[in-house]
Amino acid sequence: NAGVTQTPKFQVLKTGQSMTLQCAQDMNHNSMYWYRQDPGMGLRLIYYSASEGTTDKGEVPNGYNVSRLNKREFSLRLESAAPSQTSVYFCASSGTVNQPQHFGDGTRLSIL
Amino acid sequence: GDSVTQMEGPVTLSEEACLTINCTYTATGYPSLFWYVQYPGEGLQLLLKATKADDKGSNKGFEATYRKETTSFHLEKGSVQVSDSAVYFCALSDRLGGNQFYFGTGTSLTVIP
Repeated sequence: NAGVTQTPKFQVLKTGQSMTLQCAQDMNHNSMYWYRQDPGMGLRLIYYSASEGTTDKGEVPNGYNVSRLNKREFSLRLESAAPSQTSVYFCASSGTVNQPQHFGDGTRLSIL
Repeated sequence: GDSVTQMEGPVTLSEEACLTINCTYTATGYPSLFWYVQYPGEGLQLLLKATKADDKGSNKGFEATYRKETTSFHLEKGSVQVSDSAVYFCALSDRLGGNQFYFGTGTSLTVIP
């Protein structure tokens, strides 16, 4: 039972480099989400995709782009990484929006 | 807009003590409410949920009751164990609030033997 799989688990980047975080789910869920988790701030929604073919901005979308490649996969791209984007990134999925979300184990990203 | 406010931590308890983590919410419509748990190095896992007023969610000895009159969803457990040490997040989902989940900032719980 893989659930939600995120790759990579850890990554160190230099300021200005680009990177794509990958997320795949095998639960046939329609909705997928990207969050960042920072100390003392809980989870903040970056982007979400209510269904295949749609994406919407969340609370903190600046500096990020997303692609809903197909029903299973939802990637997050940092075009020009900044130290303020150092965080733990979580991907989640749910049957539909408003249903409980299932989370991956996270990607720990450090930007120097 | 919608929001969740939960009790700040960290919380440290002795094994077999009673636990209450407070959570209150603000919502546009009639939200569903959730508690998630995060163990070190892992993602969040759904602990329990309630979808309408007066519903009680329960799982693994944890309980929370959806109180519309006080806009609260407090997490309780009668006797905590060392294995309950984790970070707990209260969350809401409100279709009228824009099809998003709103998470509290998390409460860290440490249970000592």
